[in-house]
Amino acid sequence: GQQVMQIPQYQHVQEGEDFTTYCNSSTTLSNIQWYKQRPGGHPVFLIQLVKSGEVKKQKRLTFQFGEAKKNSSLHITATQTTDVGTYFCAGRGEYGNKLVFGAGTILRVKS
Amino acid sequence: GAGVSQSPSNKVTEKGKDVELRCDPISGHTALYWYRQRLGQGLEFLIYFQGNSAPDKSGLPSDRFSAERTGESVSTLTIQRTQQEDSAVYLCASSLGGRKTHNEQFFGPGTRLTVL
Repeated sequence: GQQVMQIPQYQHVQEGEDFTTYCNSSTTLSNIQWYKQRPGGHPVFLIQLVKSGEVKKQKRLTFQFGEAKKNSSLHITATQTTDVGTYFCAGRGEYGNKLVFGAGTILRVKS
Repeated sequence: GAGVSQSPSNKVTEKGKDVELRCDPISGHTALYWYRQRLGQGLEFLIYFQGNSAPDKSGLPSDRFSAERTGESVSTLTIQRTQQEDSAVYLCASSLGGRKTHNEQFFGPGTRLTVL
C-alpha cells in the first residue's frame, strides 16, 4: 500500500537558523498536505499542494511539491521559538481517497 | 458545534476493562479517521470511514479494537480488555472526503487513555 516517509525524525536548531523537513511517497500523489502539531495540541492543517512543481509560501514557510508528485518539502526561514512542534506531511494517492501521514519531524528551537 | 469534538477528554481505566471513545465530526464531513498517538510519537492510523463504503480497518492493531460509525455522524472506537500498551492519545479527524478540492482533515482534541 501507499507509504509516506518523512525525514528527519527530529531536529534541534538555534533560533534564527533555517529548518527543512522532507517527505517522500512510494507512489504518485494527487495532492499533499502539511500539518503542524504544537506540544500538547492536535495537528492543525497548514496547506495543500496539488500541482506538479507547485511552490507556496506562508510568511517564513515555503512548501514545495516535486515535479513527479512523489515528494515534498517544508522549509522554515529564520526559525522562531513559536515554530516548535511536530510537522507532518500527508499524501493522497492518485486513485484513492485515503490520506496517509508521514511519521512527522519534531522541531525544537533554542533561544 | 463548529469543530470535531471527542469524549471523554481523559479516561483512566484498569487493565482488562473495556473502553468506548466517542467522536463527533463536523457536520457534512463524509470522511472520518481514527489515529493513535503515543507520547512523543507520530500518528498511527487505525481506521478510516468514507461515506457508505466499507471502512478501511487495516490499521487496527488487534481484534480487541473495533469502531463503528452511524451514517455520516458519530463514531465510536471500542477497545476491549485494555492493556497497558493501549495507553495513548486517540485522535479523531474528519474531512469532506472523496477527492474534493478542500479536503483537509480537522482534528478533535483527542482522548487521553491511561490503562493502569
